[in-house]
Amino acid sequence: AQSVTQPDIHITVSEGASLELRCNYSYGATPYLFWYVQSPGQGLQLLLKYFSGDTLVQGIKGFEAEFKRSQSSFNLRKPSVHWSDAAEYFCAVGRFTGGGNKLTFGTGTQLKVEL
Amino acid sequence: DTAVSQTPKYLVTQMGNDKSIKCEQNLGHDTMYWYKQDSKKFLKIMFSYNNKELIINETVPNRFSPKSPDKAHLNLHINSLELGDSAVYFCASSQDRQYNEQFFGPGTRLTVL
Repeated sequence: AQSVTQPDIHITVSEGASLELRCNYSYGATPYLFWYVQSPGQGLQLLLKYFSGDTLVQGIKGFEAEFKRSQSSFNLRKPSVHWSDAAEYFCAVGRFTGGGNKLTFGTGTQLKVEL
Repeated sequence: DTAVSQTPKYLVTQMGNDKSIKCEQNLGHDTMYWYKQDSKKFLKIMFSYNNKELIINETVPNRFSPKSPDKAHLNLHINSLELGDSAVYFCASSQDRQYNEQFFGPGTRLTVL
């Protein structure tokens, strides 16, 4: 079965600093990978996705992620964090099973931004 | 224009009651989902429907019964509510059952007292 690990439960960065959120996955086939963001009291918004092709993918709000098959990782990065980026970030892997597409999520990383 | 909407946003009820959560998407998608997010923010899929047909049914107590009257709507009915059902329930939709991004609703926070 597939699984997703986000090793950092909480991360605190200063506004303007760079950010990297880690995500490792376990999946036997070619993974379909996603990063979602959840602001307090809100639903999940897709930041970016990787299906195939270029391993560096660009997303919304200045985020990017790099797929590294050899490391089974899909880390999320942003060169300069804004206070509005404070939120919960979820990495997910998609698997086609039983006729449907099932997303398996990591446990999330809570990002705090210090002004 | 709300793409995926859920009602109600908050639901507080007593143990043993029956309640429903409604979900609607105006994206023209074929596939809809229900996820449960527990108190530790862990998200887990419960059900998925494609064009009103149930295609994913995780290990969920049969007190939970999804219903899809048409492909734009997916409702979740919960019988005999228990304390452990307290969670945030998210509805989502995707273009079809293949590898497409899922669009999430704002969530329904269910509190069982």
